[in-house]
Amino acid sequence: DAGITQSPRHKVTETGTPVTLRCHQTENHRYMYWYRQDPGHGLRLIHYSYGVKDTDKGEVSDGYSVSRSKTEDFLLTLESATSSQTSVYFCAISLGTSGGYEQFFGPGTRLTVL
Amino acid sequence: AQSVTQLDSHVSVSEGTPVLLRCNYSSSYSPSLFWYVQHPNKGLQLLLKYTSAATLVKGINGFEAEFKKSETSFHLTKPSAHMSDAAEYFCVVSFSGGYQKVTFGTGTKLQVIP
Repeated sequence: DAGITQSPRHKVTETGTPVTLRCHQTENHRYMYWYRQDPGHGLRLIHYSYGVKDTDKGEVSDGYSVSRSKTEDFLLTLESATSSQTSVYFCAISLGTSGGYEQFFGPGTRLTVL
Repeated sequence: AQSVTQLDSHVSVSEGTPVLLRCNYSSSYSPSLFWYVQHPNKGLQLLLKYTSAATLVKGINGFEAEFKKSETSFHLTKPSAHMSDAAEYFCVVSFSGGYQKVTFGTGTKLQVIP
């Protein structure tokens, strides 16, 4: 499972509150990604990181920010949660060129914004 | 821009009959292609991948897929469906460069009827 954990696994919060999701990996992979999964949309990329302190936006980045201060941790923050951010969030790492850019995924975090 | 299209959002088959899940991609370059499976309320698991080696790729649980460059397709097949195959399947495409990002199709839900 490439040693990827996500915390929390489930969270219920209220509109307007800040929320931080954590992704932790144990195998020193350079590239990390945050996705959200919604019915009918597959997985859509929110933000990604290509090294410590190196991050960039994905296709659905509005309302989200990320930070990566250590190789092993990639944090996703919802500055002020909205109901439209109710979703399942997945973190992933890339195996790189040797794996043909295959990605391994964490177990997911189910976030409900009331 | 790279894209991937899963032609059916839902597929229903009887147990013991063949499975065909269709995927087409658009590309100016040689892609890597993947199929992932997600069982209800579970994470994503890699079924198989194509990375420019053999065009017929065999995966886990009896699934296989054939890369057809002339048709820009990567359809997933299985000779005989089992009840445990009921899940959502995602076709994923990646291209060299671009921070090893991938693009997901919108998914196909496979129903297996006893």
